[in-house]
Amino acid sequence: QQQVKQSPQSLIVQKGGISIINCAYENTAFDYFPWYQQFPGKGPALLIAIRPDVSEKKEGRFTISFNKSAKQFSLHIMDSQPGDSATYFCAASPLFGNEKLTFGTGTRLTIIP
Amino acid sequence: GAVVSQHPSRVICKSGTSVKIECRSLDFQATTMFWYRQFPKQSLMLMATSNEGSKATYEQGVEKDKFLINHASLTLSTLTVTSAHPEDSSFYICSAFTDRGGTGYTFGSGTRLTVV
Repeated sequence: QQQVKQSPQSLIVQKGGISIINCAYENTAFDYFPWYQQFPGKGPALLIAIRPDVSEKKEGRFTISFNKSAKQFSLHIMDSQPGDSATYFCAASPLFGNEKLTFGTGTRLTIIP
Repeated sequence: GAVVSQHPSRVICKSGTSVKIECRSLDFQATTMFWYRQFPKQSLMLMATSNEGSKATYEQGVEKDKFLINHASLTLSTLTVTSAHPEDSSFYICSAFTDRGGTGYTFGSGTRLTVV
């Protein structure tokens, strides 16, 4: 019940295209859903996060779509650029506070020219 | 924004020795810090949750006598890998939480440990 399932495992998108990564969860107590971007040899960096009281959040080229009834959320990267090539992790926690994050398995995104 | 400093970024040690990794929250106080381990091309695996002034809570399967965690102040937590073995070689990452400005969980830059 603590798992967060992430797909696809890897994704290749042409420059300028839309990259879409999906996550699903089971624990209805999850209350905070962040997405992290990680480059090789570096720690994860917060990209964007959403709480379940909204269905969508947009920050620049990054959008989270959230479907509470389906217990799914996704990351959309518009106008994908080669600099977006990285590994992306979705995560969830039951409380925006001192509760631990449960991470998805990660998606390796490659943007080709 | 919130910054978490982690040192060293890389360390090589001999089998049987101990290695200490530091994690500092530079511009905020973190009552809780988290320590993760990450194998190549895999997700982050939570090792333990560290609360200031109290004993760390370890995840199932993590040897608390091998991975010593100390959270002596609101801005510093340390992870000591004791009697290191080659199988302890991994990427270790710390994280600290702050609700200031909605930053949430901020991660350090990670430590690449190689045990030879």
